[in-house]
Amino acid sequence: AQKVTQAQTEISVVEKEDVTLDCVYETRDTTYYLFWYKQPPSGELVFLIRRNSFDEQNEISGRYSWNFQKSTSSFNFTITASQVVDSAVYFCALSEALAGTALIFGKGTTLSVSS
Amino acid sequence: DSGVTQTPKHLITATGQRVTLRCSPRSGDLSVYWYQQSLDQGLQFLIQYYNGEERAKGNILERFSAQQFPDLHSELNLSSLELGDSALYFCASSVGEGTVSTEAFFGQGTRLTVV
Repeated sequence: AQKVTQAQTEISVVEKEDVTLDCVYETRDTTYYLFWYKQPPSGELVFLIRRNSFDEQNEISGRYSWNFQKSTSSFNFTITASQVVDSAVYFCALSEALAGTALIFGKGTTLSVSS
Repeated sequence: DSGVTQTPKHLITATGQRVTLRCSPRSGDLSVYWYQQSLDQGLQFLIQYYNGEERAKGNILERFSAQQFPDLHSELNLSSLELGDSALYFCASSVGEGTVSTEAFFGQGTRLTVV
C-alpha cells in the first residue's frame, strides 16, 4: 500500500541555520511522482517541487534543495540559511501512476524559524 | 496566487445543514480535485473530476457529492453536516488527467466550521 511518512512532527531552528525535513515513502509502483508543498500560516498549499521516480538527480532552487534516494525510499528537503518566512507546515506527497491520480500526503512537519 | 479560486473562504453552519463549496480551476486546467484537511485525518483526497466526468474517488462520505460543470468549475456539496466535518476543504486543478504527469495547484481553501 502507498504511504508517506514524515517522522518529524515539529522542528524549531534559529534563523540562518540549515534544516532538513525528512520524507519516507512506500509504493509498489515503479512509476510514481513525489511532491513537496508548503502551507504557511495563511493556510494555502504552495507547490514547491515534483520529481518522477526515474529521475534521481538532486535539485537545488535557491535556498531549497531536495535529495531523492530510491534505495532508501526517501525524498528529503533541505532549507539552507533558514529565514523566519520559512515558518510553515511542509507536506511531502506521493502520486502513483497505476493506483490513480490522487496525492497521498504525509502528516506534515511544522517548521518554526525564530529570529 | 495559484490561479485556483475557492469560495467562500470561511463558512460557519449548524449540524444537519447542507453547504456548497465552489471551485474555479486555473485557466486551461481540465482536472479538479477536492481534498479535506482535518486535524485528525490530515490531508485526504476526496474526489476528482476531469472535463466534467468523475475520474477517481477517495475517502468521500456518502453525504458528500461533487460535480464539474461545462465551464469546468466544480462544486462540493456537503449535507447532513456533523461536527466532525469541520475542516479545511481544498480544491486543486491540473492540466492533465492525473497528477502523475502534471503539477496540481491548490486554492486557498474553504474553512468549514460546523457548530
